[in-house]
Amino acid sequence: DVKVTQSSRYLVKRTGEKVFLECVQDMDHENMFWYRQDPGLGLRLIYFSYDVKMKEKGDIPEGYSVSREKKERFSLILESASTNQTSMYLCASEGRSSPGQVNTDTQYFGPGTRLTVL
Amino acid sequence: GQNIDQPTEMTATEGAIVQINCTYQTSGFNGLFWYQQHAGEAPTFLSYNVLDGLEEKGRFSSFLSRSKGYSYLLLKELQMKDSASYLCAVRDPVAGNKLTFGGGTRVLVKP
Repeated sequence: DVKVTQSSRYLVKRTGEKVFLECVQDMDHENMFWYRQDPGLGLRLIYFSYDVKMKEKGDIPEGYSVSREKKERFSLILESASTNQTSMYLCASEGRSSPGQVNTDTQYFGPGTRLTVL
Repeated sequence: GQNIDQPTEMTATEGAIVQINCTYQTSGFNGLFWYQQHAGEAPTFLSYNVLDGLEEKGRFSSFLSRSKGYSYLLLKELQMKDSASYLCAVRDPVAGNKLTFGGGTRVLVKP
């Protein structure tokens, strides 16, 4: 089974702090994604990466940056946290999980980090 | 642009059937996914449709009509544990093959 882990389930930070959210996957997937999830807005893509050292902006990249130094690890960075970045952050890894399960790349999500910025 | 619509909330009774509709307008289409998300947990993959028709997987089925930009997820013999949000997502090759998600439908199963 695919396993995607995130560094924290709950995090409380103060406005202006630098925040690191880490995501690790164990399936050797090349594609990794960071989303935020807010009530009424669904999942919105912040950044994604299709390979080591590679990153692409998603739909809402402002205020965020990412790092992909190793294939299994994709980090989301809030350079200077603000209260409007209070949200649930979900990391996903994309690929084939096991033969025959489904004939396409599928996204597998980590448990999420609920970040509160005070 | 991309737009994916699904109802916000539905309520059904244990043992009944519920159908969650999803309509989409995207520049391109390369598959539609349904995910289940229990409160406070990560979304988990349920089903995938890329061709028109019905895909059945136990109590859950998913239907796709590409010409209508429409899909539904059918949950049969509802159980209390099916209370969750159900997310519809479309893969769009014109948008870099990324997934675009709908807002999710919260299903509440009552005894």
